[in-house]
Amino acid sequence: AQSVSQHNHHVILSEAASLELGCNYSYGGTVNLFWYVQYPGQHLQLLLKYFSGDPLVKGIKGFEAEFIKSKFSFNLRKPSVQWSDTAEYFCAVNEVDSSYKLIFGSGTRLLVRP
Amino acid sequence: DSGVTQTPKHLITATGQRVTLRCSPRSGDLSVYWYQQSLDQGLQFLIQYYNGEERAKGNILERFSAQQFPDLHSELNLSSLELGDSALYFCASSPGSHSYEQYFGPGTRLTVT
Repeated sequence: AQSVSQHNHHVILSEAASLELGCNYSYGGTVNLFWYVQYPGQHLQLLLKYFSGDPLVKGIKGFEAEFIKSKFSFNLRKPSVQWSDTAEYFCAVNEVDSSYKLIFGSGTRLLVRP
Repeated sequence: DSGVTQTPKHLITATGQRVTLRCSPRSGDLSVYWYQQSLDQGLQFLIQYYNGEERAKGNILERFSAQQFPDLHSELNLSSLELGDSALYFCASSPGSHSYEQYFGPGTRLTVT
C-alpha cells in the first residue's frame, strides 16, 4: 500500500534559520505531490504542488520543494523562516492512475522562535 | 478562506449517539472528499463523492456513511459513536472527479464523551 513518511515530527528553529522538511513516499507509479500547511486552529492550506515538469517547484510564502524521483522524495525548503511559519506541515501524495484521494504523511510540527 | 464550508464547527456528543456533519463545496466543484484527522491515525481519507455518486472509499468504518445531494453539498453520518471517533473531520472539494488539487474546509471537531 502506498505510504508517505515525514521523518521529522517536531522541528524547532530560530527566526532566519533555514528549513528543510523531509518527505518520502512509497509508490512506483506516477504521482502528484503536495505540501499542505495547517496554522494553529485553521484548516489545511496548499503550499505547493508538483504534477510534472521542473522538479523544483515554488509555492507561496517563499517555500519551495524538490522532487527527486530516484529517491522517492519531495522535501520542503525555505531559506529563512519567520515566526509566522509556526504551523504543522503535511506532505501528501496521490496516484495518477488510481483514486484521487490524498495520502498524507504524519505531519511535522514546526516551532519558530522569535 | 478556501470557499469550502463545514458545519458545525464543534460537536460534543455521547457514546452510542449518531451525528451528521455537513459540507458545502466551493462553487462549481463537483467532487467532495471526507478526511478524518486524529492524534493516533493522522489524516486519513474516508470517502469521495463526485456529482452525487460515490467514487472512492478509504478507511471508512461501516458505522459511517456519506452522501452527496443534488445541490452538491455532502453529509457524513457517524453512528454508534465510540470514544475513538473523536477527531477533526475535514471536507475537501475539487472541480472534477480526477482533479489533483483539493481545497479544504475548516473542519468539524467531534468530541465523543
